[in-house]
Amino acid sequence: AQSVSQHNHHVILSEAASLELGCNYSYGGTVNLFWYVQYPGQHLQLLLKYFSGDPLVKGIKGFEAEFIKSKFSFNLRKPSVQWSDTAEYFCAVRPRNAGNMLTFGGGTRLMVKP
Amino acid sequence: EPEVTQTPSHQVTQMGQEVILRCVPISNHLYFYWYRQILGQKVEFLVSFYNNEISEKSEIFDDQFSVERPDGSNFTLKIRSTKLEDSAMYFCASSELGGGTDTQYFGPGTRLTVL
Repeated sequence: AQSVSQHNHHVILSEAASLELGCNYSYGGTVNLFWYVQYPGQHLQLLLKYFSGDPLVKGIKGFEAEFIKSKFSFNLRKPSVQWSDTAEYFCAVRPRNAGNMLTFGGGTRLMVKP
Repeated sequence: EPEVTQTPSHQVTQMGQEVILRCVPISNHLYFYWYRQILGQKVEFLVSFYNNEISEKSEIFDDQFSVERPDGSNFTLKIRSTKLEDSAMYFCASSELGGGTDTQYFGPGTRLTVL
């Protein structure tokens, strides 16, 4: 069975700092990869996704993520965070041809200080 | 933009009682899902539903749980006899096609508290 690890549970940054959140997964086959964000009091929203092609994917709100197959990683980045990026971020994995189940990481709570 | 909606936002129940959590998926979506997140733990898959049948379920989804699409718009999760450990946030999700390059869209969740 696949698993997903997010190494940073809590991250505190000042506005304009750069962000990188780690995500590693364990699964031997081809996967689809997702980052979801949950703003306080709101539902999980899709930030970006990777299915195939260019391993550097761009999402909403200036976020991007890079799939490095050799490292089984899909790290999320943003060059300059804003206070409004305060949220919880979830990495999720779905094996390409093995059903619809998403496996989530434990989440990273990001707090951006104004 | 269409969204998945869930009711109620918070449900408190006594142990042993039945609860029904309700979801309205996005209207043209064909696949429906339930996930849950126990406080401090990961979001976990419970079940997926397509064409009025369960298409996939996890080992968490035992005989205490059932799902139903009672009409053209609602999708429900029933817990027959709640236990303390069922206390969690329950998320409904829906997707258009399933598998492949499909994306799941999530509702805001129902916080279930079992006393």
